[in-house]
Amino acid sequence: GAVVSQHPSRVICKSGTSVKIECRSLDFQATTMFWYRQFPKKSLMLMATSNEGSKATYEQGVEKDKFLINHASLTLSTLTVTSAHPEDSSFYICSARNFLGNYGYTFGSGTRLTVV
Amino acid sequence: SQELEQSPQSLIVQEGKNLTINCTSSKTLYGLYWYKQKYGEGLIFLMMLQKGGEEKSHEKITAKLDEKKQQSSLHITASQPSHAGIYLCGADTTGTASKLTFGTGTRLQVTL
Repeated sequence: GAVVSQHPSRVICKSGTSVKIECRSLDFQATTMFWYRQFPKKSLMLMATSNEGSKATYEQGVEKDKFLINHASLTLSTLTVTSAHPEDSSFYICSARNFLGNYGYTFGSGTRLTVV
Repeated sequence: SQELEQSPQSLIVQEGKNLTINCTSSKTLYGLYWYKQKYGEGLIFLMMLQKGGEEKSHEKITAKLDEKKQQSSLHITASQPSHAGIYLCGADTTGTASKLTFGTGTRLQVTL
């Protein structure tokens, strides 16, 4: 149980276009989801906390207009990278807060975004 | 600056050797999680610690949280090539379980 599906796993897009990444909790409801970004050989940096039915809470230094987060249902959060540029190329991972068992947080498998 | 510092940043050990990774915070660790990650993949949950002095083991991996709840260690006994990867500690430092922030990471290589 407590599976989070992230899609797509890899995406290549052209500069100036927008890309949407989906994060779904498959067998539980997630009122809170998190989006992280990981640079090569670096740790995970929390970008924002996504709350179902309300606005996301962004971490300091993260551009709200660049990284649009929508959490319209209890099982789906989306991250849209708008007007992507090569510097947005990175590995993005989502996580869902779950209260099943004692794990607490379940992570997706990540999305590798390459902007060309 | 990073809230959670891990040491060492990278580690190369020979198969069969023991190793320890540390995770230190200037804030109280209300919930401390250890994960393993293969490059470019998601996170694999290893263990969660909450109480000061708590220790948990799974197979050849043991994790401890100190009494002050500001430092955790991950110990691998008789390392194997399958242990290679990036080890990340994540913690709730707010006390409200509102978010999980991560340490700087430790890259482990196991040589034959």
